Amino acid sequence: EIVLTQSPGTLSLSLGSRATLSCRASQSVSAGYLAWYQQKPGQAPRLLIHGGSLRATDIPDRFSGSGSGTDFTLTITRLEPDDFAVYYCHQYGSSPRTFGQGTKVEIK
Amino acid sequence: QVQLVQSGPEVKEPGASVTVSCEASGDNFANSGFSWVRQAPGQGLEYMGWISVFNGNHNYAENLQGRVTMTADTSSSTVYMELTSLTSDDTAVYFCAALFCGGGGCYEMRSWGQGTLVTVSS
Repeated sequence: EIVLTQSPGTLSLSLGSRATLSCRASQSVSAGYLAWYQQKPGQAPRLLIHGGSLRATDIPDRFSGSGSGTDFTLTITRLEPDDFAVYYCHQYGSSPRTFGQGTKVEIK
Repeated sequence: QVQLVQSGPEVKEPGASVTVSCEASGDNFANSGFSWVRQAPGQGLEYMGWISVFNGNHNYAENLQGRVTMTADTSSSTVYMELTSLTSDDTAVYFCAALFCGGGGCYEMRSWGQGTLVTVSS
């Protein structure tokens, strides 16, 4: 099983600043099958990025994904109030598919 | 974009079983795949498994093997997740999600249901 470790656990940032979230895999993620999801309290997760770097439909270009192999990054530039949430990485290249434990982005 | 509507909240006693349904809109159900994910109160997301409607393949998380069954009914465009031998550790919100499928495989979860709270309590 591929274990995904996200860091940091919590990120405290100001509006307009840049967020950099890390997701490290215990083994190489096949074909870059790595996605990022955003979840707000009481809501279902929302797909942001798939294939490591491809933005999902209607996701603004402030969100970008990068990385390959075992190291992946989600970057959010110019944080807006709606961006404060929990972010999860997810690998779907190997069975069983797995999630990271999440990074909470909170307002400083 | 596929719209998913899940069944309502459930309260079950320990040892019982629960079935959660997830009805999909759209006309491509027979070629689709669906995942189930759960989230215990205050915790992160846990991947439970997925089912391919077009070829019937499924894959379940190892810790749920033997207790979980995922099925699909093409006549009603509905997928089901049954979990048996419930304990308090199964108390969670259960989400279904539609996978992007193509080229013989199914990939990321693109659309999600609203979630179903299952409470296990005596």
